[in-house]
Amino acid sequence: EPEVTQTPSHQVTQMGQEVILRCVPISNHLYFYWYRQILGQKVEFLVSFYNNEISEKSEIFDDQFSVERPDGSNFTLKIRSTKLEDSAMYFCASSSPSLYGYTFGSGTRLTVV
Amino acid sequence: AQSVSQHNHHVILSEAASLELGCNYSYGGTVNLFWYVQYPGQHLQLLLKYFSGDPLVKGIKGFEAEFIKSKFSFNLRKPSVQWSDTAEYFCAVRGYNNNDMRFGAGTRLTVKP
Repeated sequence: EPEVTQTPSHQVTQMGQEVILRCVPISNHLYFYWYRQILGQKVEFLVSFYNNEISEKSEIFDDQFSVERPDGSNFTLKIRSTKLEDSAMYFCASSSPSLYGYTFGSGTRLTVV
Repeated sequence: AQSVSQHNHHVILSEAASLELGCNYSYGGTVNLFWYVQYPGQHLQLLLKYFSGDPLVKGIKGFEAEFIKSKFSFNLRKPSVQWSDTAEYFCAVRGYNNNDMRFGAGTRLTVKP
């Protein structure tokens, strides 16, 4: 069964550093998403991406965040200057077409120290 | 934007007990509804989804959910739980005309052997 792959599984970074979280969506999917889950809290939508541009974003997705699809397979989330409160599990998901349930990756646990 | 509320934060059951987890949503239009499960240390997995048609939806592992439009509800049920059902369960809703899916806060289910 096709999977969404995320790397790394765990990243530790110092406050103020930039991090890039990587995702390889399912190959024939057209819609891509990032969600995050702070420990003990609910899963929060960050951003959706379609046709090489952001289609929706939440209030969480401020100027420190950006997404990119640098080639035909990867979908990245960049956090420019990490803060302690960015520590969370970040999930990538993809879907096609957008009416169907998403397929989620295993997540990247980001720890900002 | 749509929102989701899950009534129970933590449910503890014995094996073979019946399960019902509540989910209510608010959204002014047509919705797609989902239940996801997150086993300890694992990523989100789709249990079942509702788009249209029969409001009683059957999913994997013996779970089912019923969409009651008049009550804006999509409760998850299982007649007889097993220890392996111990997990976090998330209800999610997506408005028909947008791409971002919103999750409830989650319900932690603990099944005692």
